Amino acid sequence: AQKVTQAQTEISVVEKEDVTLDCVYETRDTTYYLFWYKQPPSGELVFLIRRNSFDEQNEISGRYSWNFQKSTSSFNFTITASQVVDSAVYFCALSEIQGAQKLVFGQGTRLTINP
Amino acid sequence: KAGVTQTPRYLIKTRGQQVTLSCSPISGHRSVSWYQQTPGQGLQFLFEYFSETQRNKGNFPGRFSGRQFSNSRSEMNVSTLELGDSALYLCASRPLETGGELFFGEGSRLTVL
Repeated sequence: AQKVTQAQTEISVVEKEDVTLDCVYETRDTTYYLFWYKQPPSGELVFLIRRNSFDEQNEISGRYSWNFQKSTSSFNFTITASQVVDSAVYFCALSEIQGAQKLVFGQGTRLTINP
Repeated sequence: KAGVTQTPRYLIKTRGQQVTLSCSPISGHRSVSWYQQTPGQGLQFLFEYFSETQRNKGNFPGRFSGRQFSNSRSEMNVSTLELGDSALYLCASRPLETGGELFFGEGSRLTVL
């Protein structure tokens, strides 16, 4: 069975600090997708990134970066120079590549950026 | 391009009633999925539809059902509501049959009294 663990339930930092959100996953599939979503107070899940298990290259998008390490089954997310607008709940998720691809979500990390 | 639209956004029901939630996917998207979000269980997959066919179903009782219409709009129904059905119900759509990220709506928040 697939499982995603986000051990950090809540994180609170001061604006401009760097912050890393941890994600560890379990799957028996050899190929899979990993995702990060952001959930602001409005409720909708906002897509941030999708990573194919074939591609272990790290990715950077502005202040956001992701570190995928297949050897440790981790897909961590770092926000550099955090801003108050980054405050939200962040979810890591896993899905198979073939088939209907339901997402298996972690429990989420509530990130609060204080001014 | 309009996003995923869910109606109603908020609703209150009493135990034993039934409820129908509606989801209009992004234009051109043919795959629609539903998820339930509760504080205790987190985000859980309910079911997915593609071209009016249910392709996958999560571990929920038969009281939870859904359907998809020819225009890709989807509805989910919960019968004989229980207090534990109080949740945010999120709909998501995807353009492809396989692969690709899901685009989520803002959800329908159901409160069962």
